[in-house]
Amino acid sequence: GESVGLHLPTLSVQEGDNSIINCAYSNSASDYFIWYKQESGKGPQFIIDIRSNMDKRQGQRVTVLLNKTVKHLSLQIAATQPGDSAVYFCAVALNTGFQKLVFGTGTRLLVSP
Amino acid sequence: EAQVTQNPRYLITVTGKKLTVTCSQNMNHEYMSWYRQDPGLGLRQIYYSMNVEVTDKGDVPEGYKVSRKEKRNFPLILESPSPNQTSLYFCASSPLGGVAYEQYFGPGTRLTVT
Repeated sequence: GESVGLHLPTLSVQEGDNSIINCAYSNSASDYFIWYKQESGKGPQFIIDIRSNMDKRQGQRVTVLLNKTVKHLSLQIAATQPGDSAVYFCAVALNTGFQKLVFGTGTRLLVSP
Repeated sequence: EAQVTQNPRYLITVTGKKLTVTCSQNMNHEYMSWYRQDPGLGLRQIYYSMNVEVTDKGDVPEGYKVSRKEKRNFPLILESPSPNQTSLYFCASSPLGGVAYEQYFGPGTRLTVT
């Protein structure tokens, strides 16, 4: 099976700082990794994904880093804004048809002005 | 507008009274899935469907049923709800390829079983 955990339940940053949210997974056969953002009262929203054949992927203000050696995943948000305040989940899928997704417990990002 | 809809959004019911939570998507997606979200546990997959008439268990299927008779709909059925099924439920869909593609989540259904 697979278990996924996030390192900090809450992360507080100042507006304009860079944020780093970490995630660890257990199964070395995991092949696909996703970060979701969940705002209060809403469903999770896709942010960025990465496959196991990559170690870095960049989006708009976000970067995902994958270290398969230590089974660690991180989400970096540049120039954090108040609108980034939310709960962030990492999720992991095995390359068995990509049918199942295992989520971490989430990190709440609090951005103060 | 591309979206996943769920009904009802809020439901309070009593132990043992059968209920159905509906999920519908308008994106012609093959893959659909149900999750429950509980404090401290993140989202856990209940059931998923790769296409019409194709369903399979996720990590926490006990006490739930699903059906996929049409591509757009994927209802979640609780035949005899119990208090431990009190939770926030999300439906999601994605194109063929399952979770390997971006999943679109519905707004959630908050269920309370007394």
